[in-house]
Amino acid sequence: ETGVTQSPTHLIKTRGQQVTLRCSSQSGHNTVSWYQQALGQGPQFIFQYYREEENGRGNFPPRFSGLQFPNYSSELNVNALELDDSALYLCASSPDLAGSYEQYFGPGTRLTVT
Amino acid sequence: KQEVTQIPAALSVPEGENLVLNCSFTDSAIYNLQWFRQDPGKGLTSLLLIQSSQREQTSGRLNASLDKSSGRSTLYIAASQPGDSATYLCAATDSWGKLQFGAGTQVVVTP
Repeated sequence: ETGVTQSPTHLIKTRGQQVTLRCSSQSGHNTVSWYQQALGQGPQFIFQYYREEENGRGNFPPRFSGLQFPNYSSELNVNALELDDSALYLCASSPDLAGSYEQYFGPGTRLTVT
Repeated sequence: KQEVTQIPAALSVPEGENLVLNCSFTDSAIYNLQWFRQDPGKGLTSLLLIQSSQREQTSGRLNASLDKSSGRSTLYIAASQPGDSATYLCAATDSWGKLQFGAGTQVVVTP
């Protein structure tokens, strides 16, 4: 039991709509990262938040944005959904920012864009 | 830019055989190397974490080695069982904790 939860489990949206995905990190974990996993591929890094500030971003457009809250929860927002945004979205938390810490993943949110 | 490759992409073995899964990375300046298991449609389950200063980690039937100088990690699963059927992913971690994943090896263990 990693203690990282995500909601909702599944979501179906229409192209052009906006979506918010939520993640609850383990208590005390001040770093959260979000990943997108398309079918048959490895997860791709979207961005990372450390103490409520964005700390790094992968190769994703600005319509992907996030928030991290003091209560160890975070959000991934995607505007103007495209068909290619259909994927499994994973969040991962860790105790701190350094690369030596283990990442703990949630079960993911499956997003389908039609 | 870190690139992680996993070979083979798919593997099928009879029950009882040992599994050998390979992972290579292009930038040796990693902080750790993690191996994950993913069942169809599910999230990631962490199997083993090898710190950059370590050469290997073991957990039960699983053993993972790390050779930073050659940019390689290998996951060994002894005496495979049908329940080991899953996709196995390796990921290299940079100094900020960002994970760079390989595409995974899909394993099928036949009874």
